[in-house]
Amino acid sequence: DAGVIQSPRHEVTEMGQEVTLRCKPISGHDYLFWYRQTMMRGLELLIYFNNNVPIDDSGMPEDRFSAKMPNASFSTLKIQPSEPRDSAVYFCASSFRDHEQFFGPGTRLTVL
Amino acid sequence: AQSVTQLDSHVSVSEGTPVLLRCNYSSSYSPSLFWYVQHPNKGLQLLLKYTSAATLVKGINGFEAEFKKSETSFHLTKPSAHMSDAAEYFCVVKRGNMLTFGGGTRLMVKP
Repeated sequence: DAGVIQSPRHEVTEMGQEVTLRCKPISGHDYLFWYRQTMMRGLELLIYFNNNVPIDDSGMPEDRFSAKMPNASFSTLKIQPSEPRDSAVYFCASSFRDHEQFFGPGTRLTVL
Repeated sequence: AQSVTQLDSHVSVSEGTPVLLRCNYSSSYSPSLFWYVQHPNKGLQLLLKYTSAATLVKGINGFEAEFKKSETSFHLTKPSAHMSDAAEYFCVVKRGNMLTFGGGTRLMVKP
């Protein structure tokens, strides 16, 4: 298995632009998680899905952030419009039931 | 509510000497505890986990951790550091599907 796949690995954009981050979970996993890592706040859970349904989005910072999971093998995290303070590393993770979460390599986002 | 405190943001050791990374947790129920490692520009990898079985948990790469309920601690140790152990380490408490991360400890290994 290739593990959790995220794309792009790096994204540089200008303030105000729309950013879309992508994640392919491990096949057979029924949970998918989006995390953000910053120097100031460490690792934070943004949202997680179970069987493609959002369960808890209380960590999503504001309405500029949205996440979807149209099917079991794909999820997106969208920021529109992006701001410099959104610069961070965004991780996707997946798990089977409440077992170990497997993390992707992350997307490093820089908003200028 | 649950929380995790990693007592040291940076730890520096010499290669071949023991490693101790400290973690204290707060949880209102029996916790599941984990240690994850993050190498530079990489994702997080599970080192070991405690889920109320043996209190001494062995993980990958020679790491182990001991769950001490009386001290609410879950410190990570390794008898002899290797250069490849240089990374950031996260202590994590889990409730259901929610992970709460500590602030991380950056381990530096000197030759």
